[in-house]
Amino acid sequence: AQSVTQPDIHITVSEGASLELRCNYSYGATPYLFWYVQSPGQGLQLLLKYFSGDTLVQGIKGFEAEFKRSQSSFNLRKPSVHWSDAAEYFCAVVPYNNNDMRFGAGTRLTVKP
Amino acid sequence: IAGITQAPTSQILAAGRRMTLRCTQDMRHNAMYWYRQDLGLGLRLIHYSNTAGTTGKGEVPDGYSVSRANTDDFPLTLASAVPSQTSVYFCASRLTGKGGYTFGSGTRLTVV
Repeated sequence: AQSVTQPDIHITVSEGASLELRCNYSYGATPYLFWYVQSPGQGLQLLLKYFSGDTLVQGIKGFEAEFKRSQSSFNLRKPSVHWSDAAEYFCAVVPYNNNDMRFGAGTRLTVKP
Repeated sequence: IAGITQAPTSQILAAGRRMTLRCTQDMRHNAMYWYRQDLGLGLRLIHYSNTAGTTGKGEVPDGYSVSRANTDDFPLTLASAVPSQTSVYFCASRLTGKGGYTFGSGTRLTVV
């Protein structure tokens, strides 16, 4: 079945440490790929997106993501986490030849002082 | 208005009542979407509209209906609310092509 999987429900990192949030998808053709962030009580903000070309994508707030076709993955990374990065992160895909965005279940990030 | 406006922000609704969640965008995006967000399930697509005058069903359409009379508005109606429809509802829009989605701030609905 077609799906978007975020294996980690909750991750805790120390401020200043590096971060990697995992995302895997299972669709026949490579979909468009997105990462969104949601702060408590807020809507979703787009961090970055991948359509084609360079597999390392730069986004806002110092985030980047790498598309790996062989692993059907689109992991989000940040070299040094700030306390303000604590939020819920969602990986999302728009399947090829489709307009509907499908989301993973989300990963909640906690940042320790 | 800038972006997407959803109303109300929150609502407590008695089971069996009819409720319409409003969504308006001013970006002239052709496609609009309704999602519900539940803990541990992420966002699930309820209904969508690729252009004014057309609508389609998403992953979880049962108990909901939508209409798209014009480009800007995409209301979501619960004909007879049930407690399982307690959720946070997000409206989104997109200019089809390679653009990302723009999301509203959400409506928190509690059905009691």
